[in-house]
Amino acid sequence: DAGVTQSPTHLIKTRGQQVTLRCSPISGHKSVSWYQQVLGQGPQFIFQYYEKEERGRGNFPDRFSARQFPNYSSELNVNALLLGDSALYLCASSLPGINYGYTFGSGTRLTVV
Amino acid sequence: SQQGEEDPQALSIQEGENATMNCSYKTSINNLQWYRQNSGRGLVHLILIRSNEREKHSGRLRVTLDTSKKSSSLLITASRAADTASYFCATDESNYQLIWGAGTKLIIKP
Repeated sequence: DAGVTQSPTHLIKTRGQQVTLRCSPISGHKSVSWYQQVLGQGPQFIFQYYEKEERGRGNFPDRFSARQFPNYSSELNVNALLLGDSALYLCASSLPGINYGYTFGSGTRLTVV
Repeated sequence: SQQGEEDPQALSIQEGENATMNCSYKTSINNLQWYRQNSGRGLVHLILIRSNEREKHSGRLRVTLDTSKKSSSLLITASRAADTASYFCATDESNYQLIWGAGTKLIIKP
């Protein structure tokens, strides 16, 4: 089975631009989460979607938005990019409930210049 | 915000030795999870311990959880060069959000 796939792997954008990151979960996983990881820090929670509904949102500005499609894949959109948005963006999928860990993709490295 | 705090921030040991990392957290949790990250890429799930469990084993990994002290430890026995990575603890308190520490950077010297 394929793991969690993310695209693109690397991206360079200019301040003020918009970016869309994509994620495909493991087959059978209906939950997709997005995390931002700045160099040298642990990941920070951005969103979780389950069955196409937003279940939770972290402390990120409205410039960050996401959606989940009927096939459970997901997109993360960031508008009006700032230099501080430069980070590794990680997508994870999981089974529901508190007894399961998360499977992460390899991430998208976003650089804003 | 980050709930977990790993200790030490960095650890360098000889191959074959045991490595112990600690994690402290602040609130009640459903479970605590440990992950490994190589070279700033994707995170790999290592082990999950539920709040009603005290100890769990998986291969060369041993995790303990003390909910009264809000702390956990990860022991890697008989370390190998391939264990060189950053290790993170993450707590699940809401069933949809993991809260992470800043990680322990482990270096295994040959």
